[in-house]
Amino acid sequence: AQSVTQLGSHVSVSEGALVLLRCNYSSSVPPYLFWYVQYPNQGLQLLLKYTSAATLVKGINGFEAEFKKSETSFHLTKPSAHMSDAAEYFCAVSFGSGNTGKLIFGQGTTLQVKP
Amino acid sequence: GAGVSQSPSNKVTEKGKDVELRCDPISGHTALYWYRQSLGQGLEFLIYFQGNSAPDKSGLPSDRFSAERTGGSVSTLTIQRTQQEDSAVYLCASSLVSRPDSAQHFGDGTRLSIL
Repeated sequence: AQSVTQLGSHVSVSEGALVLLRCNYSSSVPPYLFWYVQYPNQGLQLLLKYTSAATLVKGINGFEAEFKKSETSFHLTKPSAHMSDAAEYFCAVSFGSGNTGKLIFGQGTTLQVKP
Repeated sequence: GAGVSQSPSNKVTEKGKDVELRCDPISGHTALYWYRQSLGQGLEFLIYFQGNSAPDKSGLPSDRFSAERTGGSVSTLTIQRTQQEDSAVYLCASSLVSRPDSAQHFGDGTRLSIL
């Protein structure tokens, strides 16, 4: 069965430090991978997506993620954290071969940014 | 506005009552998805619409849950005889086409509380 695992439900970094949020997936078919961010009392906003065009994907707000098939990973990074990055982040996967596009989400990682 | 609109934003009701949640997708988006976000279960897929038909209802948790979409636009999620475990945030998303690599755009959700 396809699944997504986010390692670490809470991550805390200092402002200006590197942000690394981990995501691993399990799939028997090529996946499409997404990172979404959720601010309090809001819906999910797409940060970036991997659709096989390039393994290193750049998204909004300075975030990027690298697809590593050998490691079944799609970790999200940002070189320098801002206070405004504090939010909950979700990794999600969708699958081809007739899939309707429904997303399977990880459990989420709350990012705290300390001044 | 240009985004996905959901109403009401908050709903408090007594156990056993029926509730209707509304989603107005982005104009021109043919695919519409409902998800549920709860503390214990995270983000779960409920149902998917392509136009007015629902080819994937696999995520609906019980027969108390139903949804319809009319005119290929507005969708309503109905929960009958609500139970306390139905308390959650219900999120609606739409995408231009129903492909696994299509980005889904989310509304701000309806926060449902069952007393």
